[in-house]
Order: sequence, then structure tokens, then C-alpha cells
Amino acid sequence: QAQLVESGGGVVQPGGSLTVSCEASGFRFGSYGMHWVRQAPGKGLEWVAFIRHDGSSPEYADSVKGRFTVSRDNSKNTLSLHMKSLRADDTAVYYCAKEDYELILVYYFDYWGQGTLVTVSS
Amino acid sequence: DIQMTQSPSSLSASVGDRVSFTCRASESIHTYVNWYQQKPGKAPRLLIYSASSLQSGVPSRFSGSGSGTVFTLTISSLQLEDFATYYCQQAYSTPRFTFGPGTKVDIK
Repeated sequence: QAQLVESGGGVVQPGGSLTVSCEASGFRFGSYGMHWVRQAPGKGLEWVAFIRHDGSSPEYADSVKGRFTVSRDNSKNTLSLHMKSLRADDTAVYYCAKEDYELILVYYFDYWGQGTLVTVSS
Repeated sequence: DIQMTQSPSSLSASVGDRVSFTCRASESIHTYVNWYQQKPGKAPRLLIYSASSLQSGVPSRFSGSGSGTVFTLTISSLQLEDFATYYCQQAYSTPRFTFGPGTKVDIK
């Protein structure tokens, strides 16, 4: 059974930086693309970032491009999201999600972590 | 970017009701849509992928349909544990898999 556990959330001042992590277990981590999705308090889900199974071709939502960096260490089964120049509207629960696929073009997020709360406030 | 909308934004229903709600894409996404259920304080859970394929372990009262720009999630007989928020997700514009704003189902 796959499991994803996020950590690293906390309170950070506007303009500050923070790195959240996601530790994976129960599946071959290095074979799957991984995503970050966030949810502001009382709001819906917002896709944030993606990284391919081999760590290449990161992609970002326009709202975080240039400020967030996604990375992974397949030897440690760990996904990371480094966030800088944080703003109040980055306040959210950050989820990591495992991507799975069928027939090449059918993609979905089949496992999610429990989330870690990042609060940007002075 | 492909925009997703959902309607209604919320609905009230009773246990045993048949409920359906709609997701619309701003352009054709064929059948590349997924549905997730989220309960308060919990992570989303995959229910349906590729518009109509039931994820393993999901009760058969959940079903999905549609293609192109209009998609529907149906719960054939609402159970107490189904009161939650439901999100659609487009999986056509890889890997930028955007979500709809959600439909909240609560108890009438």
C-alpha cells in the first residue's frame, strides 16, 4: 500500500522561504511522476507543481512560477518543494500526490499525503 | 490553460437520494477527467478516472459519464459517508492537471 507523508509546514513571514517534503513508501517511487497540490483555507484544490519520475521537466502553476522549486531524491524516496518570496496568498495545506497512468494518456492521482499547513503571516 | 467549472456549487440531499452534478471544461478534453471526493480535514480520494472508470475499492453507487466538455458524476443512492465535496480534474493538459471549484453535498 503506497503511503505519502508530508512534513515541514509552519509559519513563515511574508517574503520568507520554506521547504516542505514528502516521504514516500510502499511503491517504486522512482517510477512515478509526482505532484504538489495546495488548498487555501476554505477553498478548493489548486495544482501547484509536477516533476517527472527521473527528476526532469518540472512544471509549475503560473501563480508560483519563479518562486517555487520542486525536486526529488529517488535514493531517499523523497519529494521536496522549496518555496521563496512567500506571500499571504500562499497560505494553504500542501499535499503531495502520486501520479499513475494507464494506456499512456490516462493520468490520475491515486495516492495523496495527509497534507502539511503553510501559513504566511507576520 | 483549460478552465474547469462545476455546478451546482452546493446541494442538499437526503440519504437514499440519487444525485448528479456536472463538470464543464473550457475546451474539449475528450474523456480525460477525474473525480475526487474530499471530506473536511482529509486528503482528496480518487473516485473515477478517465470519465467513467471506477477506481479500485470505490463503491459501485458512484459512476461517471461524459466526453468532450461536459461530464457528470452520479451517486445512485446517497449514503451518510458520501456527504463531502467533489472535485473534477482535467487530465488532458499534462501535467498541468487543474481542478474544478468543487460541489459540496450536505444533508438536507
